[in-house]
Amino acid sequence: GAVVSQHPSRVICKSGTSVKIECRSLDFQATTMFWYRQFPKQSLMLMATSNEGSKATYEQGVEKDKFLINHASLTLSTLTVTSAHPEDSSFYICSAMGGVSYTFGSGTRLTVV
Amino acid sequence: AQSVTQLGSHVSVSEGALVLLRCNYSSSVPPYLFWYVQYPNQGLQLLLKYTTGATLVKGINGFEAEFKKSETSFHLTKPSAHMSDAAEYFCAVPGGSNYKLTFGKGTLLTVNP
Repeated sequence: GAVVSQHPSRVICKSGTSVKIECRSLDFQATTMFWYRQFPKQSLMLMATSNEGSKATYEQGVEKDKFLINHASLTLSTLTVTSAHPEDSSFYICSAMGGVSYTFGSGTRLTVV
Repeated sequence: AQSVTQLGSHVSVSEGALVLLRCNYSSSVPPYLFWYVQYPNQGLQLLLKYTTGATLVKGINGFEAEFKKSETSFHLTKPSAHMSDAAEYFCAVPGGSNYKLTFGKGTLLTVNP
């Protein structure tokens, strides 16, 4: 079946630094990928939609300059959290759309100290 | 825009008992319907999906769901709960621009020995 690899699974960074999270579709091409943020005991909150070769579409209230998304190829999308602060600590999940299926990565636990 | 309602944020059952997790969608008929499961600190795993055709959909781990247009429902069931079924369950529908998924708030399933 379709597999999406997300790395790293856990990352701890210092306040003010940037962190990059990668999302790869391993066995299918994904023209569209989604990035979510999940707070404890809550549902997924869509942050942005990325389409290969074009600018990402951000949801209302999501800072484009803080959460940089790049979808340079049909199998790779990256999320960079710039100038991270403790309030950015969260669980980030990517999803790749292939046909009528949405396959999710295993998530990244970001802790900003 | 599509919306999804999951009745019951927490469902507790005994091992071996019937599992019923409820999902209702907004009035317009969605193209597809999904159920996902999430274990702690992990991404989402597809349990099953409804596209077209048979309204009773069988998924992994013994789960199934029935699409009922007249009730705008897509409830998830399993005849006999297992301890390993304890997890968070999300119902989702695609819609809007870029086919982004709209999730329900999730239902935490607890299985008691």
